[in-house]
Amino acid sequence: DAGVIQSPRHEVTEMGQEVTLRCKPISGHNSLFWYRQTMMRGLELLIYFNNNVPIDDSGMPEDRFSAKMPNASFSTLKIQPSEPRDSAVYFCASSPSLDSSSYEQYFGPGTRLTVT
Amino acid sequence: KNQVEQSPQSLIILEGKNCTLQCNYTVSPFSNLRWYKQDTGRGPVSLTIMTFSENTKSNGRYTATLDADTKQSSLHITASQLSDSASYICVVSAAYYGNNRLAFGKGNQVVVIP
Repeated sequence: DAGVIQSPRHEVTEMGQEVTLRCKPISGHNSLFWYRQTMMRGLELLIYFNNNVPIDDSGMPEDRFSAKMPNASFSTLKIQPSEPRDSAVYFCASSPSLDSSSYEQYFGPGTRLTVT
Repeated sequence: KNQVEQSPQSLIILEGKNCTLQCNYTVSPFSNLRWYKQDTGRGPVSLTIMTFSENTKSNGRYTATLDADTKQSSLHITASQLSDSASYICVVSAAYYGNNRLAFGKGNQVVVIP
């Protein structure tokens, strides 16, 4: 079992550039989550999908952020244009059930984004 | 104001000793509470999930308690090991119209020293 796969693991980019983070959930899982983690704010849920459909994107900070899930095995989180305050570790997680209230979430290793 | 408060923020303990981490929340209506362990440079890993009716749940040397009346949870680590050095994150889920909103604590940073 490969677990949740994220790429890239590290990304350094200049302010104003577009950044695309990628996630492959665990095969068979129905729910996918994008999180952001910083020292100041801790872990924050950005958006989650059930069966490839976005359910709650209220955590997405602003219009510069967008997420897609074109199929059950792939999701992207895009930041355009990026800003230094977007620097953080971005985690993707998946869950085997649509009822995320009771099932565990399995986290990927994260993408460390630095915007200069 | 954060809906989930964890204490202490950081803790240093000797190997072999026990410790208890606290999580107080104001989230309502309550759905479940989770404790995660996050090693440095890695994603969080679930330790326990507790629903309203559960008071205690164990996972090896980790024991979580929940008092839904006082909205408090604790995570007890027994006979700590060096590998227990990590951040422990409390996450509370609130049920809204069939969806679940998650509120995160900022974590308890635990350092176990030999």
